[in-house]
Amino acid sequence: QSALTQPASVSGSPGQSITISCTGTSSDVGAYNLVSWHQQHPGKVPKVVIYDVSYRPSGVSNRFSGSKSGNTASLTISGLQPEDEADYYCNSYTTISTHVFGTGTKVTVL
Amino acid sequence: QLLESGGGLVQPGGSLRVSCEASGFTFNKYWMHWVRQAPGKGLVWVSRINEDGVIADYADFVKGRVTISRDNAKNTLFLQMNRLRVEDTAVYFCIRDLRKADLWGQGTLVTVSS
Repeated sequence: QSALTQPASVSGSPGQSITISCTGTSSDVGAYNLVSWHQQHPGKVPKVVIYDVSYRPSGVSNRFSGSKSGNTASLTISGLQPEDEADYYCNSYTTISTHVFGTGTKVTVL
Repeated sequence: QLLESGGGLVQPGGSLRVSCEASGFTFNKYWMHWVRQAPGKGLVWVSRINEDGVIADYADFVKGRVTISRDNAKNTLFLQMNRLRVEDTAVYFCIRDLRKADLWGQGTLVTVSS
């Protein structure tokens, strides 16, 4: 049950688009369309921004989108805003009935 | 909402039970999860339990030391932790249905230290 691999940091200027990758295996990310993405601001409780690979919960900005190809899922934030600066974690269900989070990515808005 | 309690300071090798009281939704219709976050570190999935408490799954690093349970009559989720280690120090969050994860508790801090 190794953590999914994410880049440690990603940065962009306001208005730009950035993409965060989440690489797993055929036993987790590649097995099901059950990947979610969670945003966490410092000292705050995480908040889901994408579930089931590409579904956006009500109330989440449409600047957030998700996709998956093979064993890698991706979160794209378009039109980057200062409030998007946070840590982001992917999560996947696995073939052994567990869940696994990614290593986390710090997004910096320049 | 979800409200955790029961965290605190415990010595290595000790035991602790944390609780999560649910309100505002039909508790017995949801899988429930525990996720932890060590200070300054990332999120780590710990355990999950199904709606009626029959099915429970655990991360390898807690298997045999931790038991998840629920009392649907009291709308409460539990995590019994035994043989605690220093590396179990973390904020423990309960979450409704991690697939959609639309409800997180505020977390309870467990500190394992001598």
